[in-house]
Amino acid sequence: QKEVEQNSGPLSVPEGAIASLNCTYSDRVSQSFFWYRQYSGKSPELIMSIYSNGDKEDGRFTAQLNKASQYVSLLIRDSQPSDSATYLCAVNAWTGGFKTIFGAGTRLFVKA
Amino acid sequence: NAGVMQNPRHLVRRRGQEARLRCSPMKGHSHVYWYRQLPEEGLKFMVYLQKENIIDESGMPKERFSAEFPKEGPSILRIQQVVRGDSAAYFCASSPPDRTEAFFGQGTRLTVV
Repeated sequence: QKEVEQNSGPLSVPEGAIASLNCTYSDRVSQSFFWYRQYSGKSPELIMSIYSNGDKEDGRFTAQLNKASQYVSLLIRDSQPSDSATYLCAVNAWTGGFKTIFGAGTRLFVKA
Repeated sequence: NAGVMQNPRHLVRRRGQEARLRCSPMKGHSHVYWYRQLPEEGLKFMVYLQKENIIDESGMPKERFSAEFPKEGPSILRIQQVVRGDSAAYFCASSPPDRTEAFFGQGTRLTVV
């Protein structure tokens, strides 16, 4: 089983809709969870971090964490064409220091 | 406060040559991570370093690859005797000692011809 799993997509949503991105992880002791956005040919950009169960909202983005189910998600409200990118889920594992493991990413297309 | 700086941005090497990729972390960051990304694929962890120490190199190929983060100067990822399969984007990220969020440099795109 991969350490961090994401549906590769592509996920296609119309402009203005809610995009829902999901991620599961295998390491039960993971404490920190992140969502990065990566545009084609660019480097990953941190957009959300979440550390405790529940929801965390930042503008149009909401991260949801359920440690019991080992599940983390990202909701993007009022999706815009500029949100079209690959979204990477990342999880920290302790190995004498925090090692961040990434999922393969989900491609999101927002249709105008 | 400059971000994570990687150089060169693009590097072309012939098979058998050595490639050296440099990463200067953000000011105040003492943790450095290297990742490799093949075209159309996700980020693969390679190595995690703190100043003068390799903390986790479980993602590094056993041969030809090495990394260092000296007390002074940038972190270096070295690939000896490059092969075509080494062609990829190599990203460096850094984080401060008291936080776990990592911030990425612009990457070095290595092409082996």
